[in-house]
Amino acid sequence: ETGVTQSPTHLIKTRGQQVTLRCSSQSGHNTVSWYQQALGQGPQFIFQYYREEENGRGNFPPRFSGLQFPNYSSELNVNALELDDSALYLCASSDRQKSGELFFGEGSRLTVL
Amino acid sequence: GENVEQHPSTLSVQEGDSAVIKCTYSDSASNYFPWYKQELGKRPQLIIDIRSNVGEKKDQRIAVTLNKTAKHFSLHITETQPEDSAVYFCAAADTGRRALTFGSGTRLQVQP
Repeated sequence: ETGVTQSPTHLIKTRGQQVTLRCSSQSGHNTVSWYQQALGQGPQFIFQYYREEENGRGNFPPRFSGLQFPNYSSELNVNALELDDSALYLCASSDRQKSGELFFGEGSRLTVL
Repeated sequence: GENVEQHPSTLSVQEGDSAVIKCTYSDSASNYFPWYKQELGKRPQLIIDIRSNVGEKKDQRIAVTLNKTAKHFSLHITETQPEDSAVYFCAAADTGRRALTFGSGTRLQVQP
């Protein structure tokens, strides 16, 4: 059984650019959630995907968008990057039919210059 | 929406002592309360969770208590060890919404 994997682990972008982060969910999990963790803060919910549809969204602007694929993997896209987008982006998978416990990946650390 | 407050922000204890971290939440619909441990540069890992139909849950040296009336829950770590040093986050969720709202974290340092 493989855990949640994310790529890339680190990346540097400049303001105005676009970024795509990728996540493979844990085997058997059908739900993927994305969280943003700024330095020294708790993770903040961005959105969740279930059956390839967005299933809940936090307080993030539309330039944050996502996708879920038939194999339950997911992408997070951020357009028009701003300096404040610098953070650790965590993907978490869960099985909607079970306890709902989240299993986090190691994250993608994004730096916007 | 839900708001979770966590205290203290930092906590230093001597090895063998107990540590207590407290959280309050605002949304009475929340019914799932997990605690995560995050070591430097690592992913958050679930250490214990509690649902609203119980008031206390224990797992070896770790326990969580929940007071739904007062909307607060606490993490208790007994016989602390240096490897307990990490940042601990509480969270709350309405399982129907399935989104966790996290507290701001507590940096626990266990002095040997």
